[in-house]
Amino acid sequence: GESVGLHLPTLSVQEGDNSIINCAYSNSASDYFIWYKQESGKGPQFIIDIRSNMDKRQGQRVTVLLNKTVKHLSLQIAATQPGDSAVYFCAENFFGRDDKIIFGKGTRLHILP
Amino acid sequence: DAGITQSPRHKVTETGTPVTLRCHQTENHRYMYWYRQDPGHGLRLIHYSYGVKDTDKGEVSDGYSVSRSKTEDFLLTLESATSSQTSVYFCAISESPGTVSSSYNSPLHFGNGTRLTVT
Repeated sequence: GESVGLHLPTLSVQEGDNSIINCAYSNSASDYFIWYKQESGKGPQFIIDIRSNMDKRQGQRVTVLLNKTVKHLSLQIAATQPGDSAVYFCAENFFGRDDKIIFGKGTRLHILP
Repeated sequence: DAGITQSPRHKVTETGTPVTLRCHQTENHRYMYWYRQDPGHGLRLIHYSYGVKDTDKGEVSDGYSVSRSKTEDFLLTLESATSSQTSVYFCAISESPGTVSSSYNSPLHFGNGTRLTVT
């Protein structure tokens, strides 16, 4: 399997409970944020995005919250299922002298039976 | 997987040899990217393309070159592979520029990666 997830922070959640994964972003000028899910041996998979003019956005079983005051992003997964087990990471679209996307290192979500 | 195919999926090569990784998309997206992913690092951009024959460097471009002769194909070449280039390489595509702030942003969609080992 992938070795990318070594030494990542791990969140363990009981199956059926809600999961909250947090991300601190680096730049107050970032204006677009994305959450990705990465399962072992696969590429990152887009989950949900949010623009900086929004505080909250909901998808199917997922909600992203954006707090620009403290530069914090969170991903809430409702009724966590075994298939949610993966590494989750956020990305910010940084608009500055050198426009780029900055990816976080990720959090491993472990589902307890 | 958003119509992105990376080949090969696994490759073992020796130091000093050239290696080419291929990314093929069926989405007709204008923008394509090559990233590498290593333990302890987030995804890091190697090179990207904003159209046929239009490419630019990312943050870790040394030792890599790219080519895009067709909309659907983006090739990454390691000119002379080194052990530090052992990594998992991901190709990504997007409809809008992933590196420029705009009123229309779209997410990157990734392939399933190529695991490259340089011995």
